[in-house]
Amino acid sequence: DSGVTQTPKHLITATGQRVTLRCSPRSGDLSVYWYQQSLDQGLQFLIQYYNGEERAKGNILERFSAQQFPDLHSELNLSSLELGDSALYFCASSPGTHRTLDTQYFGPGTRLTVL
Amino acid sequence: AQSVTQPDIHITVSEGASLELRCNYSYGATPYLFWYVQSPGQGLQLLLKYFSGDTLVQGIKGFEAEFKRSQSSFNLRKPSVHWSDAAEYFCAVGGPNDMRFGAGTRLTVKP
Repeated sequence: DSGVTQTPKHLITATGQRVTLRCSPRSGDLSVYWYQQSLDQGLQFLIQYYNGEERAKGNILERFSAQQFPDLHSELNLSSLELGDSALYFCASSPGTHRTLDTQYFGPGTRLTVL
Repeated sequence: AQSVTQPDIHITVSEGASLELRCNYSYGATPYLFWYVQSPGQGLQLLLKYFSGDTLVQGIKGFEAEFKRSQSSFNLRKPSVHWSDAAEYFCAVGGPNDMRFGAGTRLTVKP
């Protein structure tokens, strides 16, 4: 158990809909990272937040947005969903700001299926 | 541009046998290198990482990896595989603020 929790575990929705994925980082970690894992794209970094502020952006679509709240939990919002958004979405956390120098601790993921 | 290649999509080894998973990278500067493991239904867990120094890196669960600059490789090894090692293994390469993952190698362990 990494200490990172993600809800829900599974989500099934229809094209055009909007969903919110939630992540609670390990106690004491200030950074939260979001990743998308799909069969065709592999594991892709989406975005990082550090202590409530956006820190780094990866391959995140404009239809996707994220935020980190004062209690440090984070939410990833996916809108206008398409079939291709079906994937496993991981959240990870780390104590500091460095995406590579810090060890990231991954949650178990949310599997999103868009029908 | 940075890239990482894991040439083997799937590897099967017998329990107790040795293991080597291959990773080749392309990176403009001295890379930071990582190996992660993803067990079924779980998130990724860091096995080991290389930033600088000794090119032979020891990790958790009895794994080690060797950085070979001349071959642009960072192969993962384990002398004796256990059934619980069955999982997906990801190599990653990057710098201080970026990281790219390979496509992964799925390891099956035969009894």
